Amino acid sequence: GDSVTQMEGPVTLSEEAFLTINCTYTATGYPSLFWYVQYPGEGLQLLLKATKADDKGSNKGFEATYRKETTSFHLEKGSVQVSDSAVYFCALRSGPGSARQLTFGSGTQLTVLP
Amino acid sequence: GAVVSQHPSRVICKSGTSVKIECRSLDFQATTMFWYRQFPKQSLMLMATSNEGSKATYEQGVEKDKFLINHASLTLSTLTVTSAHPEDSSFYICSAREATEAFFGQGTRLTVV
Repeated sequence: GDSVTQMEGPVTLSEEAFLTINCTYTATGYPSLFWYVQYPGEGLQLLLKATKADDKGSNKGFEATYRKETTSFHLEKGSVQVSDSAVYFCALRSGPGSARQLTFGSGTQLTVLP
Repeated sequence: GAVVSQHPSRVICKSGTSVKIECRSLDFQATTMFWYRQFPKQSLMLMATSNEGSKATYEQGVEKDKFLINHASLTLSTLTVTSAHPEDSSFYICSAREATEAFFGQGTRLTVV
């Protein structure tokens, strides 16, 4: 079945540091890939997505590229801010139709120190 | 974006009692909602798919008589944990889809003592 393996946290960085959170997946066919972010006390929010190989999703300075050859979708940001402190979830959805459920990674807690 | 509101955010209950968690889509109609459960440092695991006006579809291994799901309207789905036990303590999250994007509630931290 589908699965997502995500870099274990917690990750602690200083402000303006470079961030990488690794994510690899196993899926049949050609899944869509997502990164969600959960700020303290809030629900999950879609951060970015990519629907086919070599697509790059980007939002709020974060980027991730859909790499089919390595089955990866690593999240990167060149300069993190304190406000980026949150839990980040990698997820995939395989198969057609928007009703298909998401398969999530375990989440990575990021703390950015001033 | 669309908003999904989940209530309560935290609940503590005694063993043997039942707890109801509500999930509302505030500014859109959702014919399908999803209920997830998350254990500490683990993935969100899909428990069931809630369908408006019909029975929920449960994932393998999820007890449908223990986790009752009702989706009586296009904006409300409820999850009732019946006869709760300490092993039911977990973080429960609902999700509703609008068009191609999924929107999530804030989650409910359930502690059974």
